[in-house]
Amino acid sequence: KNEVEQSPQNLTAQEGEFITINCSYSVGISALHWLQQHPGGGIVSLFMLSSGKKKHGRLIATINIQEKHSSLHITASHPRDSAVYICAVRGYGGATNKLIFGTGTLLAVQP
Amino acid sequence: DSGVTQTPKHLITATGQRVTLRCSPRSGDLSVYWYQQSLDQGLQFLIQYYNGEERAKGNILERFSAQQFPDLHSELNLSSLELGDSALYFCASSALTAYGYTFGSGTRLTVV
Repeated sequence: KNEVEQSPQNLTAQEGEFITINCSYSVGISALHWLQQHPGGGIVSLFMLSSGKKKHGRLIATINIQEKHSSLHITASHPRDSAVYICAVRGYGGATNKLIFGTGTLLAVQP
Repeated sequence: DSGVTQTPKHLITATGQRVTLRCSPRSGDLSVYWYQQSLDQGLQFLIQYYNGEERAKGNILERFSAQQFPDLHSELNLSSLELGDSALYFCASSALTAYGYTFGSGTRLTVV
């Protein structure tokens, strides 16, 4: 079993829809990251969370430490939101500064 | 431009060859991380350097090595290349992990 699980693996939405991508993890973490990767492109860090909720434009990320679960929400989705969204967790300090990645959610937003 | 520069962007080479990937971290960032993204394995951590010293090692093959120089740029050396080494190699940097990571645009390596 992967330490970081994402669902769904693939998601197709119509423009304007509200989208939720989920991430569950099984290890103790110091932070959780949501990343965005466009096809053939680089990786952009969207959020880093250690508790609660963060909002940036139409994107909202939440985390529940007790339940080891995080969600990424996209409001009023747009075709330019089409990308792979990756959840990654970071352990505690020292040698565990590395990120452990989920397998990603491929989002396609159709006009 | 994220501030992390990776060169080259694309690399095509033959099996058995050796290549060097280069990463210049964002100004002021002391940590550099190397990640491999392949179709079957997803994103995996390879190695981390902090201010010139190796800090953590992940699933890095013995054929691979890395170093971080005094000017903080880092190089990932891949030798005796195999077809399965074809992947996107990302570099990321951070000042302190509390401030998150900045990723480079990656080097796409194709081994033929």
